[in-house]
Amino acid sequence: DQQVKQNSPSLSVQEGRISILNCDYTNSMFDYFLWYKKYPAEGPTFLISISSIKDKNEDGRFTVFLNKSAKHLSLHIVPSQPGDSAVYFCAARDSGGYQKVTFGTGTKLQVIP
Amino acid sequence: GAVVSQHPSWVICKSGTSVKIECRSLDFQATTMFWYRQFPKQSLMLMATSNEGSKATYEQGVEKDKFLINHASLTLSTLTVTSAHPEDSSFYICSASPHRNSYEQYFGPGTRLTVT
Repeated sequence: DQQVKQNSPSLSVQEGRISILNCDYTNSMFDYFLWYKKYPAEGPTFLISISSIKDKNEDGRFTVFLNKSAKHLSLHIVPSQPGDSAVYFCAARDSGGYQKVTFGTGTKLQVIP
Repeated sequence: GAVVSQHPSWVICKSGTSVKIECRSLDFQATTMFWYRQFPKQSLMLMATSNEGSKATYEQGVEKDKFLINHASLTLSTLTVTSAHPEDSSFYICSASPHRNSYEQYFGPGTRLTVT
């Protein structure tokens, strides 16, 4: 039962353009959502998060949008840079699950110079 | 800050042997550590959560007798894969959290285990 879904396994974007990575979830108890970036053979690194009481959080080139009614969130990267090429994981924390975080399947982003 | 290391970074072992993977928080004390497993092109699957000084909490479907987790100090957790089989070959990643009930998790670089 995949509670966090990233339906696009890969995405290619031209350098300078906007990258939009999508994530859907099914568990209404999720209260915190996170995006991680992962390079091959490395552990994920935290990118940006958003609380369920907000609908937008921005940090530099990265903005995360949350639509609770649709159980959907997205990560926008503007402008996209070649160094952004990596696998991006959406993750969510269950408010009743202490620190347990559930990860999506990831989207591989390729930014073409 | 918030650096987590894992050792070894990769290991090859024969079927039937046991292998230990260490996870260390280098510049903070980790009240909670997590162990994940990642199959190729798949998500990170949480195997277990361990709090310092107490028994690990295993996720459903994870054999606690096969994947032994010890969190003996606030900076060290170990995962021992006992009687390894080729299907245990995977990428194992640990993470550490400095606070209880916090979403903050800092990930190690992972350990590639290959069982021949």
